Amino acid sequence: QVQLVQSGAEVKKPGASVKVSCKASGYTFTGYYMHWVRQAPGQGLEWMGWINPNSGGTNYAQQFQGRVTMTRDTSITTAYMELSRLRSDDTAVYYCARNFPYGSKFLPGDWGQGTLVTVSS
Amino acid sequence: SSELTQDPAVSVALGQTVRITCQGDSLRSYYASWYQQKPGQAPVLVIYDKNNRPSGIPDRFSGSSSGDTASLTITGAQAEDEADYYCNSRDSSGNHLVFGGGTKLTVL
Repeated sequence: QVQLVQSGAEVKKPGASVKVSCKASGYTFTGYYMHWVRQAPGQGLEWMGWINPNSGGTNYAQQFQGRVTMTRDTSITTAYMELSRLRSDDTAVYYCARNFPYGSKFLPGDWGQGTLVTVSS
Repeated sequence: SSELTQDPAVSVALGQTVRITCQGDSLRSYYASWYQQKPGQAPVLVIYDKNNRPSGIPDRFSGSSSGDTASLTITGAQAEDEADYYCNSRDSSGNHLVFGGGTKLTVL
């Protein structure tokens, strides 16, 4: 079965960077886009972008352009999301989500457990 | 701000039918999908591409669309359906994904 296991919680200072990992198993890693979505405390879902694990191509939401970098390591079936120049309002749970097998490439399907990133001085 | 608008909260009596709506210009061009999220859990896809249910999702969940509005209908709501529901679709450019602000469903 599809499993996405994310790295543990992080505490960062404003201005720092954070890199969250997402270890995939149970399917062909290079066959499905991987989305990153975040959720601030008590708030809604916010799409950050996706990476094509096969080519490494990325598509970032406009509000994160210049601050986010999505990468992957196919040898260990792991996707990464790095967010730089952190601010307090980046405090959120960050999710990776495999694109659903049916439908478009804009359809997060199976989700990781989430990684809480806290930005605080 | 979200390009997809949802009512913040909706309530339904146990066993009754409830409709949750999502409005946005991009819905005239692209399908909506719907997610259920319970407290402390990751979202779960319940409807994709307007009215398709992933395996394991009860058939009391259905989707529809008309013009700039997509709807999620729960026919015969159960206590376990109490959750936050989010719609999503492509944005007006067609190049990015956007979520609605979410609707908190209370089952009375």
